[in-house]
Amino acid sequence: GAGVSQSPSNKVTEKGKDVELRCDPISGHTALYWYRQSLGQGLEFLIYFQGNSAPDKSGLPSDRFSAERTGGSVSTLTIQRTQQEDSAVYLCASSSGGYPNEQFFGPGTRLTVL
Amino acid sequence: AQSVSQHNHHVILSEAASLELGCNYSYGGTVNLFWYVQYPGQHLQLLLKYFSGDPLVKGIKGFEAEFIKSKFSFNLRKPSVQWSDTAEYFCAVNSNSGGYQKVTFGIGTKLQVIP
Repeated sequence: GAGVSQSPSNKVTEKGKDVELRCDPISGHTALYWYRQSLGQGLEFLIYFQGNSAPDKSGLPSDRFSAERTGGSVSTLTIQRTQQEDSAVYLCASSSGGYPNEQFFGPGTRLTVL
Repeated sequence: AQSVSQHNHHVILSEAASLELGCNYSYGGTVNLFWYVQYPGQHLQLLLKYFSGDPLVKGIKGFEAEFIKSKFSFNLRKPSVQWSDTAEYFCAVNSNSGGYQKVTFGIGTKLQVIP
């Protein structure tokens, strides 16, 4: 079956612009996670959705970052007024939502802010 | 707060050498533990997991890990590495607290296997 997909695969933007990153989870997966992967920083948790609700937004680095999920499926991570330090690979993962669970990761979106 | 420490950030081994990657976590309650692997150019994927039962778990490609509760550790091992094991390895902890799940990853260990 189809895995987790993310788009775009690469995004180059200018400082100050807004960007939207999309994640399509595995069908039927109720939990969805966003992470940021930077060189030497490992995987930094950003936000977790259970259905359309986000019980844990603790990882969002600033109020420039927001995310939503609609229909219990697709999620969009929005970064407003991008800064150079936002450059990273943004990973999305989904899971069945049960506990404990294995996460299935997408290929990521590489964001470069010039 | 939940945290994961991976002590070796970059490991270089020759083929056939034995591997042990350290992972320690901090959390006061029940946890479930994972090792994920990211091969060059590929997605992160599950290598092995511990939920309960036998603390020695076996995963894909000959990897195993041992959960030692008293040491809060979940070290990854492989008796004889191959060049194809070159990848980045991430330890992760999954807990259920306050009605929702929390997953925390370590910083990752880059393994380079020299033929």
